[in-house]
Formats: sequence, structure tokens, C-alpha cells
Amino acid sequence: GENVEQHPSTLSVQEGDSAVIKCTYSDSASNYFPWYKQELGKGPQLIIDIRSNVGEKKDQRIAVTLNKTAKHFSLHITETQPEDSAVYFCAALLLRGGNKLVFGAGTILRVKS
Amino acid sequence: EAQVTQNPRYLITVTGKKLTVTCSQNMNHEYMSWYRQDPGLGLRQIYYSMNVEVTDKGDVPEGYKVSRKEKRNFPLILESPSPNQTSLYFCASSGVGVREQYFGPGTRLTVT
Repeated sequence: GENVEQHPSTLSVQEGDSAVIKCTYSDSASNYFPWYKQELGKGPQLIIDIRSNVGEKKDQRIAVTLNKTAKHFSLHITETQPEDSAVYFCAALLLRGGNKLVFGAGTILRVKS
Repeated sequence: EAQVTQNPRYLITVTGKKLTVTCSQNMNHEYMSWYRQDPGLGLRQIYYSMNVEVTDKGDVPEGYKVSRKEKRNFPLILESPSPNQTSLYFCASSGVGVREQYFGPGTRLTVT
């Protein structure tokens, strides 16, 4: 079936460094790609999303890039801070078989101070 | 405050004992959904509802039921829970179809 692969599964960075999480998707018709942040004991929270008609979107220290030809998209966090430590999920809007979000398996990001 | 609430937050039960997890949103959202989260598998959709009285199966609907009698509520029902339904469950809602979903705080269910 349609799926989303996410890498790496865990990522440790030093405070102030950049972090990059990558996802690939299989449904070429997908046109919406959100990223969610899940802090310990809480539900996922939407932090940024991108639609297929743009290649990059930024929001302060967070950016997402999309390569539709290669069917992959990435989350970039610059100047990481301890409060960025969380689990990050990517997702793709699956259009075939009904509108639904398909999530990646998640990346545990640890920012060491 | 705009939010999605779930109750209970934690539940330990035994195999076969029917249970209901409630979900309520105060944002007048039409779309609501249930997910389960398991280690290494991310979030998998159980059921979703595009509007009142309209529900449909997600990827892992076996063993679950839902109803959508009111716009704000979307309860998840486990008629006969089994240990493989031990998981972390999230309810979500959205006012723009499946995009921009707001998630509840989660319900951790253990079935022994």
C-alpha cells in the first residue's frame, strides 16, 4: 500500500547545530505534506506544512523542502535548542483510496546542551 | 481555548470488557479522526468522519467502532478489547478536510 518512510529514527545534535529529517512517499498524486511535533505526554502538534505547488517554506528556525520529482521532503531545524527535543512525524496526504494522511514512523530528536 | 479533549487519559482493563473512549472538540470542526500510535509504526488511522452521521474505515479498523451523532463528539468503542489493542490512542479534528489536524492529548490503553 501507499506509505511514507522517515529517516533517521533517532537523531542527536548539539545545541546550536542544525537537524535534518527526511521523508519519502509513494503516492505521486500526494499534494500536502505536514510535519508534526510530539512532546512527551502530549498529542502531535502541527508545526509546518507544505503544498505541492511550492518547493520550500520557512517559519523562523524551521523550514521544509519538497522535491516532487524524487518524491521526498525534508524538515530543517536551524540553531537547535533543548526545547526542540521531541518526536517529529512527517505525513503525506494520500489521494488514492480516499483522502487521508499517512504518517511516517517518527524521529526522536535529542538536542544536547 | 480551542482544544480536543479525550477521556480517560489512562485506562487499564481486561480482555473482553467493553469500553468507550470519548473525544470532544470545541472548534466546530467537521472532520474528526481516531489514530493509534505504536512504537516504530507512527500514527495509523482507525476511523474517520467527514461530518455528522458520516464515518468510514481507516487503515486499522478491526475491533473498533465509532459513531458521530453530534458534530463535537466522536467516541471510540472497543466492544471486546484484546491485548493487541494495547496502545496510545489519539483523536484529531480539522476544519479544512484532513489538513491541519488538531490532536487531543492521547489515551493510553492497556488490555490485560
